[in-house]
Amino acid sequence: AQKVTQAQTEISVVEKEDVTLDCVYETRDTTYYLFWYKQPPSGELVFLIRRNSFDEQNEISGRYSWNFQKSTSSFNFTITASQVVDSAVYFCALSEAGNRDDKIIFGKGTRLHILP
Amino acid sequence: DTEVTQTPKHLVMGMTNKKSLKCEQHMGHRAMYWYKQKAKKPPELMFVYSYEKLSINESVPSRFSPECPNSSLLNLHLHALQPEDSALYLCASSHVRRGDEQYFGPGTRLTVT
Repeated sequence: AQKVTQAQTEISVVEKEDVTLDCVYETRDTTYYLFWYKQPPSGELVFLIRRNSFDEQNEISGRYSWNFQKSTSSFNFTITASQVVDSAVYFCALSEAGNRDDKIIFGKGTRLHILP
Repeated sequence: DTEVTQTPKHLVMGMTNKKSLKCEQHMGHRAMYWYKQKAKKPPELMFVYSYEKLSINESVPSRFSPECPNSSLLNLHLHALQPEDSALYLCASSHVRRGDEQYFGPGTRLTVT
């Protein structure tokens, strides 16, 4: 069963618009960790944020913000006033504390196009 | 310094060649990872080293052979690859701590002809 679902395969918005990337996860663990990574065309995955299951506080970092809601098993990512440099593939990921292997499970990614 | 470096950036090899991919980090991380990523797909875990010992092999074919000579270096030795092995190979590192974030290198884009 897919544990991290990013239903939006591809999104295009015009520069300066706000955009939200959805992430829904599934786990039976009470302790788990959620991540967002950005992968620009150059290929490198850039770590953006890590959240543990006990910390539901939303976070803002510049134009980026994250909304973690355990009630809906969602960890959504919003970019405010988008810029062309935000164009990339964004991956949401999950790590379960009960997983012996401590692996990160990636969603399929959302390809974001910011049009000038 | 949150940098993971990988060499080479690009590699083209024939099916009978032997080549190696290299990865280095100086963040004091004791867990290192190899991932394979095909176009328009998420990264797939191949191997994990923890304290320089192989802890996870995700049933990777033996034509891929990992090596961790010390806590900063990770190699992936390639031999007799197939065209379907063409992909982006990503190295990552992290602390050996449950749920810690992984830091990725820029990857090696491998083409097998």
